[in-house]
Amino acid sequence: AQSVTQPDIHITVSEGASLELRCNYSYGATPYLFWYVQSPGQGLQLLLKYFSGDTLVQGIKGFEAEFKRSQSSFNLRKPSVHWSDAAEYFCAVGAGGGADGLTFGKGTHLIIQP
Amino acid sequence: GAGVSQSPRYKVAKRGQDVALRCDPISGHVSLFWYQQALGQGPEFLTYFQNEAQLDKSGLPSDRFFAERPEGSVSTLKIQRTQQEDSAVYLCASSFPGTTRATGELFFGEGSRLTVL
Repeated sequence: AQSVTQPDIHITVSEGASLELRCNYSYGATPYLFWYVQSPGQGLQLLLKYFSGDTLVQGIKGFEAEFKRSQSSFNLRKPSVHWSDAAEYFCAVGAGGGADGLTFGKGTHLIIQP
Repeated sequence: GAGVSQSPRYKVAKRGQDVALRCDPISGHVSLFWYQQALGQGPEFLTYFQNEAQLDKSGLPSDRFFAERPEGSVSTLKIQRTQQEDSAVYLCASSFPGTTRATGELFFGEGSRLTVL
């Protein structure tokens, strides 16, 4: 069965500093990988996804992620964070439950210090 | 509207009551999912529909949970005889493709927050 591990429950970063959120997955076949962001009281919004091809993928809001098969990782990065980036970030792998479903990690809570 | 709509946004129920949560997916989306998100956790899969067919309900935690999508659009998640452990945010998501691998984005609603007292 597939699984996702996000080892950092909370991360605090100063505004303007760089960010890296870690994600490790377990999946038998070629994974489809996703990063979603959830602001308080909001639904999940897709930041970026990896299906195949270039292992460095660009997403919205200046985020990028790199797929490393040898490390089973899909870490999310941003060169300079803004206060509005404070949110919960979820890494997910497909296919989870159901034909098109996703299996999510437990999330990383990002705090931005002024 | 253009997005996935869920109602009610907030529901408080007394233990033992039945509740019904509604999801209105994006028009034309074939696939519909229900997820349960407990406080401080990631979403956990409950069930999946392709049009009106419920193809996977392996994530439903007990037989008190029931979901339907009779006309292949709006879906309802029903929880009978609610218990305190049912307190969570219930997220609905839809996507267009009905293929056997996730090929695109899941569009999520804002969720229904259920509190069982």
